[in-house]
Amino acid sequence: GDSVTQMEGPVTLSEEAFLTINCTYTATGYPSLFWYVQYPGEGLQLLLKATKADDKGSNKGFEATYRKETTSFHLEKGSVQVSDSAVYFCALPNTGNQFYFGTGTSLTVIP
Amino acid sequence: EAQVTQNPRYLITVTGKKLTVTCSQNMNHEYMSWYRQDPGLGLRQIYYSMNVEVTDKGDVPEGYKVSRKEKRNFPLILESPSPNQTSLYFCASSDAQYFSSYNEQFFGPGTRLTVL
Repeated sequence: GDSVTQMEGPVTLSEEAFLTINCTYTATGYPSLFWYVQYPGEGLQLLLKATKADDKGSNKGFEATYRKETTSFHLEKGSVQVSDSAVYFCALPNTGNQFYFGTGTSLTVIP
Repeated sequence: EAQVTQNPRYLITVTGKKLTVTCSQNMNHEYMSWYRQDPGLGLRQIYYSMNVEVTDKGDVPEGYKVSRKEKRNFPLILESPSPNQTSLYFCASSDAQYFSSYNEQFFGPGTRLTVL
């Protein structure tokens, strides 16, 4: 069945470090792919999305490219800030309108 | 302000005492969904609804019920809660048109449930 696999955390980085959070997926067809972010004590909110192969989603300095050949959608940011500390979820819908989330990767950025 | 609201935000109850968590959205969205979030398991979908009177099971529906009598409301019902339903619950909504391809989900702030 459809699924999403994320790298396990937690991840701790110093401010201005480079961030990569890996995400791979298994899906029937070519669904849209999403990254959601959850700040402490809040619900999830959309960070970025890509709707087809080779699309690059970007927002707030984060980027992710939909790679069909490697079934991946890795999240990257060139220079993280303390305010990026949060939990990040990779996600995809299936053709049956269900939605699958990864297990989440907790990021802590220290000054 | 466009939003998804959930009530209560926090609830401590005892095994077997029926409870309802309410969810309401003001964006006229067709699609609504309930998730539970557990450490190490991420978010798992409990139930979802494509429109009024249309509901479907997600990955973990056992022990839960839902109803969709009005477009804006999607309550989650635990008729006989058990300790393994202690979790953080999120309601979400989305415009169902082209759902699978394009549209983001908007999440409520969460309900932290403890079943003793």
